[in-house]
Amino acid sequence: GAVVSQHPSWVICKSGTSVKIECRSLDFQATTMFWYRQFPKQSLMLMATSNEGSKATYEQGVEKDKFLINHASLTLSTLTVTSAHPEDSSFYICSASTDRAGANVLTFGAGSRLTVL
Amino acid sequence: AQSVAQPEDQVNVAEGNPLTVKCTYSVSGNPYLFWYVQYPNRGLQFLLKYITGDNLVKGSYGFEAEFNKSQTSFHLKKPSALVSDSALYFCAVRPHYGGSQGNLIFGKGTKLSVKP
Repeated sequence: GAVVSQHPSWVICKSGTSVKIECRSLDFQATTMFWYRQFPKQSLMLMATSNEGSKATYEQGVEKDKFLINHASLTLSTLTVTSAHPEDSSFYICSASTDRAGANVLTFGAGSRLTVL
Repeated sequence: AQSVAQPEDQVNVAEGNPLTVKCTYSVSGNPYLFWYVQYPNRGLQFLLKYITGDNLVKGSYGFEAEFNKSQTSFHLKKPSALVSDSALYFCAVRPHYGGSQGNLIFGKGTKLSVKP
C-alpha cells in the first residue's frame, strides 16, 4: 500500500534556529500533501495544503512566513519552521493524496516531534 | 460551526468484549466520514470510511462503523476487542462541499484500552 515517510521523526533545536521536516511518498506520486499540527492530547489541525509546483494554501491563522512549505516534486514536500520558538514545539504530521479531488483516503506519515529549547 | 465530537476521552474494555467508540458530527451537507487509529509514535492509519451507500461500513482489523444520519453519528464498533486494539482513535469528517481534501475536521481522539 501507499507509504508516507517523514524525517526526522524527532528533533530538538535551540530557539531562533530553523528546522526542516521532510515528507516523502515512497511508492506513489502525491499531487497534494497536507501538513498538520498536533498538540498533546488534542486533535490534528490542518496547517496548509501543498500542491506540487504551486504555492501552498495556508489555513487561517497559520503564518506562511513562519512555516515555509515547498512541494518541488511529486514525492517530496518540506515544512521549514523558521526562527523556531518554544511555542512551536509540537508534533507535525504530513499526509499525502493521489487525487486533487474526491474522497480518496489520505496516507499519513509517522509524524515529527519538534522540541524547541 | 462545523465540528466533530468524541465524547469519551478514554474507553476501557476487557479483551473479548465488544467495544464502541462514539463519534458525532456537526457538518453542513452530506459529509464524508472516516475513522483513523494512531499507535504511539506512529502516524494515523486509515480504518474505514463512509461516503455513500450502505450505512454499515466494514473496515480494517474487524472494525465497523454505522452512519446514522438522523443522529449525526458514526460510532466505531468491534464485536470482540483485542489487547492489540489499544490505541488512540480519531473520527474525522470532511465536508462534502468546499475546502481541500485534506481539510478533515478531526475529533479530539479517544484512547482505547483493552485489558486481558
